[in-house]
Amino acid sequence: KNEVEQSPQNLTAQEGEFITINCSYSVGISALHWLQQHPGGGIVSLFMLSSGKKKHGRLIATINIQEKHSSLHITASHPRDSAVYICAVFFNNDMRFGAGTRLTVKP
Amino acid sequence: NAGVTQTPKFRILKIGQSMTLQCTQDMNHNYMYWYRQDPGMGLKLIYYSVGAGITDKGEVPNGYNVSRSTTEDFPLRLELAAPSQTSVYFCASSSSRGSYNEQFFGPGTRLTVL
Repeated sequence: KNEVEQSPQNLTAQEGEFITINCSYSVGISALHWLQQHPGGGIVSLFMLSSGKKKHGRLIATINIQEKHSSLHITASHPRDSAVYICAVFFNNDMRFGAGTRLTVKP
Repeated sequence: NAGVTQTPKFRILKIGQSMTLQCTQDMNHNYMYWYRQDPGMGLKLIYYSVGAGITDKGEVPNGYNVSRSTTEDFPLRLELAAPSQTSVYFCASSSSRGSYNEQFFGPGTRLTVL
C-alpha cells in the first residue's frame, strides 16, 4: 500500500489554464514536499510545507494536516511548466514519494 | 557548486554483468541516498548513508551494494545485473535527515539490462 497517492496521474492543459494536482497521504507527518521532475529527468524541490499555504511565483501549495491532503496549484500555466510533479513525506525513517503527476501544457 | 553529479547518464548491461554507478556531491552533506524510479511508481530508497563509513539498507536493497569512504562519494554497485534492475537511478544528498530536510538530486542514470 502506498503511503502517498497523487491524482491525476496525467494532466493535459491549454496554456493559461489553472492547474490543480492533488496529494493524499495515509500517515502522520510533520511536513510535505513538492518536487518537480523536468523532462530531462532532473528533480528539484519546489516547496516544503507543514501548514497553510506557500506561494512561489505562479505556484501555490496548500496543505490540510487534519485531512491528510495537499494540493499544488499553477496559475496561468505555460508550456515550460510541463513536467512531472511529485509529492513526498518523511515517514518511518524514509522519504516516501508519490508516483507523480505528468503535466503537459499545450501552447 | 556542481551540486550532485552522477555518471554515467545512460548504460546498457547484459544479464550477469556488473557495474558501478558513481555519485559525488560538493555540498559537504553528511546524508546521501540512492533511489530507483520505475514507470508509474514513486522513487524507492535502495541504500542511504549518514556519513563516511556508515551505510544502511533502504526499502529495496537486494542486488545492490554501496560504500562511503569519503563524504563526497557514494557509489552504487550492481552485481550480476538482472532485467528487474532496469530503471532510472537517482543519487541525492541532504545536510541532515527528517521531515524538514530538502534533498538535492543528481541528474539520474538510465540503466537497461538486456
